[in-house]
Amino acid sequence: AQSVSQHNHHVILSEAASLELGCNYSYGGTVNLFWYVQYPGQHLQLLLKYFSGDPLVKGIKGFEAEFIKSKFSFNLRKPSVQWSDTAEYFCAVRERKSNYQLIWGAGTKLIIKP
Amino acid sequence: DVKVTQSSRYLVKRTGEKVFLECVQDMDHENMFWYRQDPGLGLRLIYFSYDVKMKEKGDIPEGYSVSREKKERFSLILESASTNQTSMYLCASSSPPGPEAFFGQGTRLTVV
Repeated sequence: AQSVSQHNHHVILSEAASLELGCNYSYGGTVNLFWYVQYPGQHLQLLLKYFSGDPLVKGIKGFEAEFIKSKFSFNLRKPSVQWSDTAEYFCAVRERKSNYQLIWGAGTKLIIKP
Repeated sequence: DVKVTQSSRYLVKRTGEKVFLECVQDMDHENMFWYRQDPGLGLRLIYFSYDVKMKEKGDIPEGYSVSREKKERFSLILESASTNQTSMYLCASSSPPGPEAFFGQGTRLTVV
């Protein structure tokens, strides 16, 4: 079965630190890749997505992610985090041939110390 | 903006009760999904629907059923609630070919 692994369940950083959250998936075919974010008390929302083309994608709020096909990875990065980035981050993968189903990682809780 | 609305933010039900969770989307999306979100387990798909009256089991359908009588509404039913169904339930919708899913606020269900 396809799976998505997020390397850390909890990450604690100070403001202005750099962030990298790991995401690896197991499917070997063509995929679409996503990062979603859930701020405290809010609904899940799309942070960024990769369909094709430039493997470095930019999302909202200064986030970016790089698709490395050879490593089956789609790591999320931000050069300088803010307290408002405290949230839970989910990586998700969809097989290109599927119309429906996203496969989700377990999520990473990011806590930014003010 | 796409809006996905879940009928309740918080619910407390007793073991054995029949529970209905309602979800409505306003963007004419074809696909609708019910997930449960548990700490350390991420999102697990319970059921999804790709058209009115059509439904497919997800990864953890046991103990749940769904109903989609109208395109905009997708209901999750717990036939006989149990304490292990205490969780956050998330509804989402999407429309092919775009796989991006839009989520509701979630319903935190506690079964006592």
